[in-house]
Amino acid sequence: AQKITQTQPGMFVQEKEAVTLDCTYDTSDQSYGLFWYKQPSSGEMIFLIYQGSYDEQNATEGRYSLNFQKARKSANLVISASQLGDSAMYFCAMTPRSNDYKLSFGAGTTVTVRA
Amino acid sequence: DAGVIQSPRHEVTEMGQEVTLRCKPISGHDYLFWYRQTMMRGLELLIYFNNNVPIDDSGMPEDRFSAKMPNASFSTLKIQPSEPRDSAVYFCASSHGTDTQYFGPGTRLTVL
Repeated sequence: AQKITQTQPGMFVQEKEAVTLDCTYDTSDQSYGLFWYKQPSSGEMIFLIYQGSYDEQNATEGRYSLNFQKARKSANLVISASQLGDSAMYFCAMTPRSNDYKLSFGAGTTVTVRA
Repeated sequence: DAGVIQSPRHEVTEMGQEVTLRCKPISGHDYLFWYRQTMMRGLELLIYFNNNVPIDDSGMPEDRFSAKMPNASFSTLKIQPSEPRDSAVYFCASSHGTDTQYFGPGTRLTVL
């Protein structure tokens, strides 16, 4: 079974600054995928970024980058140049690729961007 | 392109009533997932389908819950009879194989 740990329940960040959201995972699978989703107050789940366990380079998508450290089993999300619209809950999630595609989610981190 | 479509967006019902949630996945996606989100338990996978066939329903809480996928473009999650503890946001998501799962807007269910 997979376990995703997000230790930061809430964070404040100043507009235009960068913020790092922590995520660690535990799995015995060698092949897996790591995802980050954003859930604003409106409730929808928005896909942000993906990292495969065999990807050698860290994933980037615009202002989002994933700091993947496989040996430490961590997949931290970095949001650069924070905007007010980044205020939301952020979920780290993982799916094994060996035999099923179920997403396991962390508890989430609430980010509040201050003007 | 249309994303995952869910209906209704909000549902308020009384305990004991039957509730049916609907989902239309993204065209071409062969996997469909149903999740439930609550404050206490976070996001939980209830069931998922591959090519319209249920693959894993181990997350379905009890026999009051059932899900069907009669064709590639439609799925339902039914709760009968509903109970107040079923109040939650129910998400449908779809993916193409092992690719990213894209979520619908969710259905906020309140059982009085």
